[in-house]
Amino acid sequence: GEDVEQSLFLSVREGDSSVINCTYTDSSSTYLYWYKQEPGAGLQLLTYIFSNMDMKQDQRLTVLLNKKDKHLSLRIADTQTGDSAIYFCAESKNQGGKLIFGQGTELSVKP
Amino acid sequence: GAVVSQHPSRVICKSGTSVKIECRSLDFQATTMFWYRQFPKQSLMLMATSNEGSKATYEQGVEKDKFLINHASLTLSTLTVTSAHPEDSSFYICSAQSRTDTYEQYFGPGTRLTVT
Repeated sequence: GEDVEQSLFLSVREGDSSVINCTYTDSSSTYLYWYKQEPGAGLQLLTYIFSNMDMKQDQRLTVLLNKKDKHLSLRIADTQTGDSAIYFCAESKNQGGKLIFGQGTELSVKP
Repeated sequence: GAVVSQHPSRVICKSGTSVKIECRSLDFQATTMFWYRQFPKQSLMLMATSNEGSKATYEQGVEKDKFLINHASLTLSTLTVTSAHPEDSSFYICSAQSRTDTYEQYFGPGTRLTVT
């Protein structure tokens, strides 16, 4: 079946790097996404990666994909208090297809 | 660009009544819209997928007669929770997919439903 797992909490100090991890079970997942949700709000797409890629970098965000281990990570460099939010990873089998979400990781950034 | 709105943002209703939630794509045409439900501190669970002009496809375990979805135009989908019960209280989020950019789902801000 399809399952996406994340740790629930992460706390870091401002200026440090944050690494949020995600594992998934469906080897046919083709697209993997990271979304950010601020309190009481909808989801904002941060970045996505195709399964034929190992890494993608976008400014302070670095996504690493280990397809063999079905492990995805999101690294946020120089974490700021404004990065405090819940981060969801999600996977889908095809472009525009149904998204399966993890439980979300609550990132707390302390000054 | 690519803004999705939801109305209302919060609603409180009594048990047994029905409530309608609207999802609109403001600056693009959405061929497909998705409805999700999110419980506190939990993930989003897909309820149904709707394509403009056709019947919605419901996920397993979602009662289609209880959660009525209408996608009558390329910019509007509605979710009606019929005969609401307290266990229907949740955060409902819609997303919309543009016909020209199918990599991304653009999410609405969500609607907090409380059934008393």
